[in-house]
Formats: sequence, C-alpha cells, structure tokens
Amino acid sequence: TQLLEQSPQFLSIQEGENLTVYCNSSSVFSSLQWYRQEPGEGPVLLVTVVTGGEVKKLKRLTFQFGDARKDSSLHITAAQPGDTGLYLCAGAGTASKLTFGTGTRLQVTL
Amino acid sequence: ETGVTQTPRHLVMGMTNKKSLKCEQHLGHNAMYWYKQSAKKPLELMFVYNFKEQTENNSVPSRFSPECPNSSHLFLHLHTLQPEDSALYLCASSPNGVSSYNEQFFGPGTRLTVL
Repeated sequence: TQLLEQSPQFLSIQEGENLTVYCNSSSVFSSLQWYRQEPGEGPVLLVTVVTGGEVKKLKRLTFQFGDARKDSSLHITAAQPGDTGLYLCAGAGTASKLTFGTGTRLQVTL
Repeated sequence: ETGVTQTPRHLVMGMTNKKSLKCEQHLGHNAMYWYKQSAKKPLELMFVYNFKEQTENNSVPSRFSPECPNSSHLFLHLHTLQPEDSALYLCASSPNGVSSYNEQFFGPGTRLTVL
C-alpha cells in the first residue's frame, strides 16, 4: 500500500510569513499533484510535477518534486489569508491510481 | 466552478433510509470517481468508472452501490448506512482514466450525516 505522509498536519501563521509543506513516501510515483481545498468545496488542482527534481512556480507558490520521485514540497512566500485551506498532495502510481496524502491544514491570519 | 456538480449538497438520513447522491460533469471527461473524505483520514477512493465501466471497487461495503448510466453522470445509491458512514462524499472526473497524470476535477461534495 502506498502511503503519503504530509507535514505539518496543521499550520497557523500570520500574513506575510513564509511556509513549507512536505509530502513524503517510501514509494516512487510517476507524477505528483497538489490540491487546495477550501471549506465547503472540493479539492482544486494547483499543479502536477512529473520529472524528478522538477520545480514549478505558481505566483507565490513553489512546488518541487524530489529527485527520486518519492517526495515533494510546497513553499508559499508571503502568505495571504486567501491561502487558507487544506493542502493535499496526491501521487500517481501504477495504473495511474492516485494516492492522496494525509493533508496539511493552513490558517493564515491578518 | 470546476464543471462538476453534485446534489444534494447536504443530506441527513436514518439508518433505514434509501437515498441517492448525484454527480454530473460538463467537461467531456471519460473517467468518474467517488471518494469519501472523513475527518482525520486521507481521502479514500471508493469507485472508478472508465467509459461507463466500473474499473475499481476499493473494498467498499455493499450498502454503497454506484451507477454510471453514461460518461457524464454518476450516482451513489445508499441504503442501511451506519453512523460511521457520515462523511463528505466527493465526486471527481478526469479526462482519461488511464492517463499517467490522472488529474482530478472535483465537485463540491455532499455532506452526509447518518443518524
């Protein structure tokens, strides 16, 4: 069974601070996705990373896929209240089945 | 608006009731999914349909019965549920269920409470 552990589980920071969320596994994934879920809504895809060592930037968000394609990180610069939500990583393994991570709940306050 | 709609958004039912959840996608995708999201647990895949055919049943109890009449619609029929089945049920679609990326487009979910 493929497991994806995210850390931290909870994070409460003030506007303007930087943060990093980690997604780790002992399994290799063909690709890895990050989603954000806001209260009362379903997860929304933010990015897909495919190549080991790949770095993708989406405005203030930077996503990195580990060289061995077993882990990933999400770095947010100068967090804003609109970044509040549940962040989920998801790895695509064999037969393209997705395994979702345990989630990181982020709260950004003014 | 992700192009995936779910009804109802909220449902409260007794253990002896029968109800159905509905999902519709307007994205032209070929694969549809049901997920269960409970507090303190990772998102759990329940069922996968590719081109209307069920390709995955993730050991889901028979009190949950999926139906996919066409590539745009997906139902989850519920009967004799247990209180521990209370959760957010999410529907998702993807362009091609066998693509290596398998990016998911989720609906807003149905918040189910079983009394």
